Amino acid sequence: SAVISQKPSRDICQRGTSLTIQCQVDSQVTMMFWYRQQPGQSLTLIATANQGSEATYESGFVIDKFPISRPNLTFSTLTVSNMSPEDSSIYLCSVDEGRLGEQYFGPGTRLTVT
Amino acid sequence: EDKVVQSPLSLVVHEGDTVTLNCSYEVTNFRSLLWYKQEKKAPTFLFMLTSSGIEKKSGRLSSILDKKELFSILNITATQTGDSAIYLCAVSRMGGSEKLVFGKGTKLTVNP
Repeated sequence: SAVISQKPSRDICQRGTSLTIQCQVDSQVTMMFWYRQQPGQSLTLIATANQGSEATYESGFVIDKFPISRPNLTFSTLTVSNMSPEDSSIYLCSVDEGRLGEQYFGPGTRLTVT
Repeated sequence: EDKVVQSPLSLVVHEGDTVTLNCSYEVTNFRSLLWYKQEKKAPTFLFMLTSSGIEKKSGRLSSILDKKELFSILNITATQTGDSAIYLCAVSRMGGSEKLVFGKGTKLTVNP
């Protein structure tokens, strides 16, 4: 499976600021996804990062809050904008490598907003 | 609305015990069911199941899918402390969105 890296691994940020998380894959992939996992909760899909076009956001997530870039087939960024303590979560990127839906996850970014 | 329900939500066992984790689902246009193990941040892929009745096995872990009754089980035999983790079940659909729908997970604690 593809090797996925994320930066930063963790960060502590102040309310009102923004943080950009990077996701790098060691091979070209068509589908990249961004998930959020709030404390004690399961994974929730934020958006699908599409190469060369705007991301597709899930219900409850908007581009102004979570802008996403996908400049090529190996890289994507997620920005968490105007952060509040409710944004404290683990943020994960994943890639879909197969035809049957299997996704592989990056190591995650643990974000704490104070 | 697509739904994935896992049970139990948490489980505490002793080393050497055998555990069975459950996952039921309701999803339109089912494609596959996946199991992940989450120890710290990143979920690690365990199994993908697409056909009923065919057991997938990896060491002490095994899983099977029942597409008629819409559920899957994950078995872990001879548990070890290193099996302590959250086990996540997810379902993917055919056509349109490739997103995974996750259950809330089962937190397994294996005590020495």
